[in-house]
Amino acid sequence: NAGVMQNPRHLVRRRGQEARLRCSPMKGHSHVYWYRQLPEEGLKFMVYLQKENIIDESGMPKERFSAEFPKEGPSILRIQQVVRGDSAAYFCASSPYQEDYNEQFFGPGTRLTVL
Amino acid sequence: EDKVVQSPLSLVVHEGDTVTLNCSYEVTNFRSLLWYKQEKKAPTFLFMLTSSGIEKKSGRLSSILDKKELFSILNITATQTGDSAVYLCAVEPGNNNDMRFGAGTRLTVKP
Repeated sequence: NAGVMQNPRHLVRRRGQEARLRCSPMKGHSHVYWYRQLPEEGLKFMVYLQKENIIDESGMPKERFSAEFPKEGPSILRIQQVVRGDSAAYFCASSPYQEDYNEQFFGPGTRLTVL
Repeated sequence: EDKVVQSPLSLVVHEGDTVTLNCSYEVTNFRSLLWYKQEKKAPTFLFMLTSSGIEKKSGRLSSILDKKELFSILNITATQTGDSAVYLCAVEPGNNNDMRFGAGTRLTVKP
């Protein structure tokens, strides 16, 4: 059973371009979480999605950021008009079900560098 | 390839017990090791360890790193039901690669 897959592993964009980060959850998992890792701050929650549904996007910036998890295919975190401050590692985790505390399995991350 | 292994995968104890969670790792150019408590939505940061042999402590939780033997332990004394969670260990390599997470230890504390 393959783990959570993220691609690309490294992404370089110039200011103003769009970044698309993909996350394929573990087989059988229907819940996906996106996190951003900033230096010295650990993980910061961004968004929680179920298939075709955004459950919680309280951690998402109001502008330029969006996420989806379609019925078929990976979850996508999309950052439009990237700025240097968007440079970070973005992690995706998947979970098979919702409980009081979710057991989440993390992917290897995508490191976004904005030039 | 960088690797983080946590043990045990799950643990059931009673309130008041002391538990020790283990995390061993193999990474290139180690920078730091982090412990998280995962419950509900997002992992909560507990400790960051960079130096060997120096214990970090916060209330009933403490952690120590052994860089020679490549492992860390997380201790929880006088456990409470609120300690029930998945505890994640993550290692940050020093070559600008991203964190590697262990599979977590699911701790259940029974009243």
